[in-house]
Amino acid sequence: GDSVTQMEGPVTLSEEACLTINCTYTATGYPSLFWYVQYPGEGLQLLLKATKADDKGSNKGFEATYRKETTSFHLEKGSVQVSDSAVYFCALNGGATNKLIFGTGTLLAVQP
Amino acid sequence: DTAVSQTPKYLVTQMGNDKSIKCEQNLGHDTMYWYKQDSKKFLKIMFSYNNKELIINETVPNRFSPKSPDKAHLNLHINSLELGDSAVYFCASSQAWDATELFFGSGTQLSVL
Repeated sequence: GDSVTQMEGPVTLSEEACLTINCTYTATGYPSLFWYVQYPGEGLQLLLKATKADDKGSNKGFEATYRKETTSFHLEKGSVQVSDSAVYFCALNGGATNKLIFGTGTLLAVQP
Repeated sequence: DTAVSQTPKYLVTQMGNDKSIKCEQNLGHDTMYWYKQDSKKFLKIMFSYNNKELIINETVPNRFSPKSPDKAHLNLHINSLELGDSAVYFCASSQAWDATELFFGSGTQLSVL
């Protein structure tokens, strides 16, 4: 079945460091891909999405490119802030069942 | 106004008890969901309702019974609570059953002692 694999955390960075959180997927067909973010004590929020190959999603300085050839959707940010500390979830929507399938989440801790 | 609100925020109870979690959305969405997040942050869908009709029912013990009195509300009732039910339960909604953006509530942390 469809699945998402993302790098385990926690990821600890200093402010202004570069961030990459890896995400790869397995799916039949052509899924849409998402990154959701969960700030402490809150529910998940959509951060960005891409619906077809080579699309780039971006929001709040974060970017991810839908790479069909490597089945990846890595999350990147050039300069992280303390306020970016959160759990980041990669997800896909396979279409057939229309269920959002989440990865296991990656905790990002940014230190001042 | 909170878009997706669920109550209570915290629920501590004994094994064997029956409890309910309520969820309401004021976004006018047609579809609502219950997700369970375990201690390792793994998030798994439990149920989905579209216009009050059940459309997704994952492999969940039948001690868990969702109820949707109208499309703005989706409640979760749990009978005979077990230790393994301890988790954070998230309610979510989306505009339609095939929409790709979900809006989540802030979660209910259930602790079964």
